[in-house]
Amino acid sequence: QKEVEQDPGPLSVPEGAIVSLNCTYSNSAFQYFMWYRQYSRKGPELLMYTYSSGNKEDGRFTAQVDKSSKYISLFIRDSQPSDSATYLCAMTHTGTASKLTFGTGTRLQVTL
Amino acid sequence: GAVVSQHPSRVICKSGTSVKIECRSLDFQATTMFWYRQFPKQSLMLMATSNEGSKATYEQGVEKDKFLINHASLTLSTLTVTSAHPEDSSFYICSANSRAGGSYEQYFGPGTRLTVT
Repeated sequence: QKEVEQDPGPLSVPEGAIVSLNCTYSNSAFQYFMWYRQYSRKGPELLMYTYSSGNKEDGRFTAQVDKSSKYISLFIRDSQPSDSATYLCAMTHTGTASKLTFGTGTRLQVTL
Repeated sequence: GAVVSQHPSRVICKSGTSVKIECRSLDFQATTMFWYRQFPKQSLMLMATSNEGSKATYEQGVEKDKFLINHASLTLSTLTVTSAHPEDSSFYICSANSRAGGSYEQYFGPGTRLTVT
């Protein structure tokens, strides 16, 4: 079993839809949770960063962490074609120098 | 925001030669940098953790003599793929951990596509 599980997709939604992306993990030591966006042949770009459980909102993006269920989510409201990319969840332990464990990534396609 | 650059962005080399990839943090100092590789449609796999002024820590299964890492300053880390083979063809991405305030934010470079013929 992988430490971090993420549905690879692809996920296709119409423009304006609400998108829900999810990851589950098995290691309860993870404390920091991140979402990255990666366009084709580019490096990942940090979207959201959350410590421990709770919600965090930034514009059209909302990140949720439920540590009791070992489940994290990223919601994208009013999705745009420019949101079409691969979304990677990543997480790290407390007190480490940010050695990240990544999910496999979910490919998202927002259609006109 | 913090910017990380990589050079070159893509390189083609012949089997048996060595290739050096540079990773630079442009507007911040990074005591720790990371090297990942990514195969098509797969996630990033950590290869090694590079700390300024000390030897890199390699992940299990990564050959330290094949993938030489040097972190000579707080803004530069290099990865040298020695005696490259076609199976080393991949997308190599570096990242740097922001030093300010103990933040765990990690910033990635744009990646280097290596093709070994």
